[in-house]
Amino acid sequence: DAGITQSPRHKVTETGTPVTLRCHQTENHRYMYWYRQDPGHGLRLIHYSYGVKDTDKGEVSDGYSVSRSKTEDFLLTLESATSSQTSVYFCAITGDRATYGYTFGSGTRLTVV
Amino acid sequence: GENVEQHPSTLSVQEGDSAVIKCTYSDSASNYFPWYKQELGKGPQLIIDIRSNVGEKKDQRIAVTLNKTAKHFSLHITETQPEDSAVYFCAARMDSSYKLIFGSGTRLLVRP
Repeated sequence: DAGITQSPRHKVTETGTPVTLRCHQTENHRYMYWYRQDPGHGLRLIHYSYGVKDTDKGEVSDGYSVSRSKTEDFLLTLESATSSQTSVYFCAITGDRATYGYTFGSGTRLTVV
Repeated sequence: GENVEQHPSTLSVQEGDSAVIKCTYSDSASNYFPWYKQELGKGPQLIIDIRSNVGEKKDQRIAVTLNKTAKHFSLHITETQPEDSAVYFCAARMDSSYKLIFGSGTRLLVRP
């Protein structure tokens, strides 16, 4: 997707290890979001950011932390990965609050074994 | 907080027929309702949205209707084509919130 890149695209990790997913944008958008997608649950918000160093929790934030030290990068860390965190993770961005639509990245498929 | 319910979870239609997906929301303060289409292996893409001061919006073969009194909104796709096959998500947001709350998704299959 133009202007937003997620890395890695796929990752397999072991239970108990820390994992960091990266979202990088070139749109200079203020708002960035991390969602997870699981069958039957749609897209659930993990954390979001409304500016550099300004972050807040979403509905499923337990076991996750985020950081945003630059406008363009929003990092999601699984502090100690568990099998329940096996999922597809999507980053989304949006500009000024008058611009309501989100642009999503292509996703990161994470498997915790 | 806001809760969005989406039905049906799967929908199969014959090419050329119409498809309707329905969502209900819980918070009467919600005033923005987008629809996203997700193709296999890709992120969701915005296809149409509606704000609470409008009852209906159309864009070629797709339309969205909103009933604020009943707190539900629907996506209508006419003259369906095989390339419409995808997962569709509805969402809702309040003006005072930074967050979109999504429905659980509908998998649409258009049979040739």
